Amino acid sequence: DGGITQSPKYLFRKEGQNVTLSCEQNLNHDAMYWYRQDPGQGLRLIYYSQIVNDFQKGDIAEGYSVSREKKESFPLTVTSAQKNPTAFYLCASRDIASKETQYFGPGTRLLVL
Amino acid sequence: QQQVKQSPQSLIVQKGGISIINCAYENTAFDYFPWYQQFPGKGPALLIAIRPDVSEKKEGRFTISFNKSAKQFSLHIMDSQPGDSATYFCAASKETSGSRLTFGEGTQLTVNP
Repeated sequence: DGGITQSPKYLFRKEGQNVTLSCEQNLNHDAMYWYRQDPGQGLRLIYYSQIVNDFQKGDIAEGYSVSREKKESFPLTVTSAQKNPTAFYLCASRDIASKETQYFGPGTRLLVL
Repeated sequence: QQQVKQSPQSLIVQKGGISIINCAYENTAFDYFPWYQQFPGKGPALLIAIRPDVSEKKEGRFTISFNKSAKQFSLHIMDSQPGDSATYFCAASKETSGSRLTFGEGTQLTVNP
């Protein structure tokens, strides 16, 4: 069963804590993306990666970090520097060679305690 | 900053009616324009997409109209059904920038039975 999985579905963060959101895909896609979604707003790009061991900042990268050690995995860490982390986080992937669109995972909702 | 502006913010139509959502973009380098459908608590799913070399694309009840000179594109949902009730996002990207998507703010569509 191919697709993009994100875990956990819900995540709670305490003050000053770093948390990591998981994103895994078995579609053999080269590119992976992280977006943040706030109520009443469109999705905003946090980071993206087109190849293993390389990634670029998006529009709202401050307070976040990523790694791309494996093609199928692109974890996002929300650091304590991100002062307003409550949001719905969406991971996406894309096959660069076929020029197809991005496909999204089911999302992780992050809440601050 | 590259922007995509979407309207209306919310839309209510009767079953069987036509739903129309509009988007305008600024960056003439954009070369791919997808529409996504999102249900509450789920990730966005690709609905239909168009490239600027055509002015219209139809898939079932969904049609994209594209006006390159006006830098505008719109989604038409014919014979709208209650199951179409969701949030719709337009987006734009360019291949040379890693196909990072720039999203509109979203339109919440409600189709009354």
